[in-house]
Amino acid sequence: NAGVTQTPKFQVLKTGQSMTLQCAQDMNHEYMSWYRQDPGMGLRLIHYSVGAGITDQGEVPNGYNVSRSTTEDFPLRLLSAAPSQTSVYFCASSPTDIDENYGYTFGSGTRLTVV
Amino acid sequence: GEDVEQSLFLSVREGDSSVINCTYTDSSSTYLYWYKQEPGAGLQLLTYIFSNMDMKQDQRLTVLLNKKDKHLSLRIADTQTGDSAIYFCAEIFNDYKLSFGAGTTVTVRA
Repeated sequence: NAGVTQTPKFQVLKTGQSMTLQCAQDMNHEYMSWYRQDPGMGLRLIHYSVGAGITDQGEVPNGYNVSRSTTEDFPLRLLSAAPSQTSVYFCASSPTDIDENYGYTFGSGTRLTVV
Repeated sequence: GEDVEQSLFLSVREGDSSVINCTYTDSSSTYLYWYKQEPGAGLQLLTYIFSNMDMKQDQRLTVLLNKKDKHLSLRIADTQTGDSAIYFCAEIFNDYKLSFGAGTTVTVRA
């Protein structure tokens, strides 16, 4: 049981490049989400999904796209990287059953630098 | 967006108790959480409390919830060097979204 797996762990991009951050979970969780973490700002929600085929925007969605074709995978795409997207990105998943307290399981993060 | 507030830094002597405070915004939040993040790692769920509880104890951890004041605290007894980390308070909203505070960096000194 691997939990939430994120790849890559580190990435350097040039301004204007595009890339996809991968996220996969093997816990059959319905809910998945992407956060970015910046110093002093906590975690901010980018996009989230409550199940396959359903996605929605969080508080900072501009410049990012997501899709959820399967329960397991929730990739995050940067369309045209900008220095302001330099951050640490976390993927998280959780069940949607109240009896399981909605506890999120986090991946280990992707550290992205845009130059 | 909603704001969960917590102080940014806490320094504590090894063996003392640490108390991290948080104020949240939504009185209808079902669960409130404390997460721990060690350097270079993801967030780890430390403990949680259901909204109909006032207190929860789990080994060295005690969570207190004051719903009237929307105040949540985490007490770590007998703080150890391994407790040095960033601690995040979080509350849950509709659609299962979690809103996090900015994190409290706890430094344990000998």
